[in-house]
Amino acid sequence: DTAVSQTPKYLVTQMGNDKSIKCEQNLGHDTMYWYKQDSKKFLKIMFSYNNKELIINETVPNRFSPKSPDKAHLNLHINSLELGDSAVYFCASSLGTGINSPLHFGNGTRLTVT
Amino acid sequence: SQQGEEDPQALSIQEGENATMNCSYKTSINNLQWYRQNSGRGLVHLILIRSNEREKHSGRLRVTLDTSKKSSSLLITASRAADTASYFCATDRNNDYKLSFGAGTTVTVRA
Repeated sequence: DTAVSQTPKYLVTQMGNDKSIKCEQNLGHDTMYWYKQDSKKFLKIMFSYNNKELIINETVPNRFSPKSPDKAHLNLHINSLELGDSAVYFCASSLGTGINSPLHFGNGTRLTVT
Repeated sequence: SQQGEEDPQALSIQEGENATMNCSYKTSINNLQWYRQNSGRGLVHLILIRSNEREKHSGRLRVTLDTSKKSSSLLITASRAADTASYFCATDRNNDYKLSFGAGTTVTVRA
């Protein structure tokens, strides 16, 4: 059973399009995250939700909008995609707020914007 | 800004040898975590060490933490081909609930 699953695994789209990535966790965790990993493998936090409430919102263009319909799901919608948005996006979850709780990651969504 | 940085960026060793990688960070922390990422996969948690701990073991993994030097090391003993992966350290900041990652150390274990 996949603990943190995100779809799709690959996403190829053209500049200017709008796309969504979905994430679900079956671990019963309270906190979920979106991270972006660039081509140099640097991993940067984008958003975090705790029990459906936004608790971390890094300096991310407002073209990126997370939505958490319930604590098991955290989706990421991206408007007006740009070339620089190409990266691997990881969803993660943790029991607590992540400081003392290990993060459980999905296998990533590789987004390519052409 | 980036909190943790791993060193070296890449490491190539022979199967059976030990691999050591280091992590340096800038501000005081509550704990430090190490993760492994296999190619094309998500990160997997390895070890969490708290700021009041100096050393921790898990199987073939040994993690040390020196808060006076703001650094940590991860040692993998008797490496195997399956240990080929990127290894990341992650830290919080004492008054910040965000977990920040470095860019990782890529370890290649040659058979």
